[in-house]
Formats: sequence, structure tokens, C-alpha cells
Amino acid sequence: LAKTTQPISMDSYEGQEVNITCSHNNIATNDYITWYQQFPSQGPRFIIQGYKTKVTNEVASLFIPADRKSSTLSLPRVSLSDTAVYYCLVGDKRRNTPLVFGKGTRLSVIA
Amino acid sequence: GAVVSQHPSWVICKSGTSVKIECRSLDFQATTMFWYRQFPKQSLMLMATSNEGSKATYEQGVEKDKFLINHASLTLSTLTVTSAHPEDSSFYICSATPGQSNTGELFFGEGSRLTVL
Repeated sequence: LAKTTQPISMDSYEGQEVNITCSHNNIATNDYITWYQQFPSQGPRFIIQGYKTKVTNEVASLFIPADRKSSTLSLPRVSLSDTAVYYCLVGDKRRNTPLVFGKGTRLSVIA
Repeated sequence: GAVVSQHPSWVICKSGTSVKIECRSLDFQATTMFWYRQFPKQSLMLMATSNEGSKATYEQGVEKDKFLINHASLTLSTLTVTSAHPEDSSFYICSATPGQSNTGELFFGEGSRLTVL
């Protein structure tokens, strides 16, 4: 399973755009990149998933360069409620494949 | 989206007792569920893969006789922490993916916080 590396923590003010970059140098051809969000004492929640180029949904964008060795989660105009830990995971989409979590990035949004 | 529910949300027990945690997929069938453990300020650690109708697959370093996993139906997996000790106190989280999902997205339960006195 591909290992991921993310910044341990980030701080941001409300209303700013936050970009969290994840490195996954040994990503495999069949691997997808998925980001999860976790609030204290809750299970992680799916944010976005991509394979290459750019993916956008109602809460975030995911940028993946051509070599796929890294990816960037972009959160537009964060609010206090976006304070959470964000995990980047790389793995096969097949449902029987478990996801291995890295250390994640603890985002603190300040008023 | 699909819903995964855990019960209980929290439990306090005395050292030496056994505790069972249930994980249910409420609106889909899951032949495979995953159990994670999370200590304070740390990431989720995969403990085992629970397979319906067969034995669970445990990750290295996880004692299968300590953490008993039973996946007797397509919507229920249970984790039993046997002879619990204070060091077993942790946040236990299960996850599953609907069989018809084409994204492989994992849906997680709310977690179960175990405190062993």
C-alpha cells in the first residue's frame, strides 16, 4: 500500500482558501486518491476522490498532477466548522481492500 | 449515502471483563467490514478485516484471541474485546463499502469509545 506524507498541522483564518498537499511517491497504477475528514470522537467522513487531473464537488477540489505522486486538497473559504483532521489515502477502489491511514493534517481555523 | 452504525457509542468496564461492540450496515449489505482503533491524538490503525461467513484477517501485532471478530450476517460485524485492560481503552471504529459502490468509498460508523478501569 502506498505511503502518504502530509503536514502535521495547518492554521488558517476564516474565509481563506486552504490547500493541503499530500505526497504519495509510490502510488500504483490502480490506486485512487481519497480524502477523509474527521472531527473529534467521530468516524471519518468522505470528502473527495480522484485518479488524475482535477475533481471538484460541493465541498472541495482535488488537484492531481500528471505524475500522480502528490495531490492537493483545496477547501474554499473555510469556516470554524472546518476545523478537523484531514487524511489523504491512496488505494485500490475495490471494496475488499482496506484503507491505511497516515498521520493526517490537523487543520485549525481561527476566527 | 450509506449508513454504518455502531453500538454502543461509549462503554466503561472493569478490568478483566469482556466488551462487545456491534457494527451494522443499515441500508446496504457488506461482505467485508474493517475495524480500526484510534488512540488520542493519533491516526486510525487498521486492526482487522471482517469477512462475512469466514474468519477475520488480522493485521500484524493484533491479537486475534484478544479481539474476537464475528461477521455472521451481511449487515452485522461484532468486535469483542476479551479480558479488557486499561491499555485497551481506545476509540474503535468500523467501516464498510456497499457492494454496488463504484468508488470504493468507505463509510464509517460513529465510533465506540471504550474505557477500561
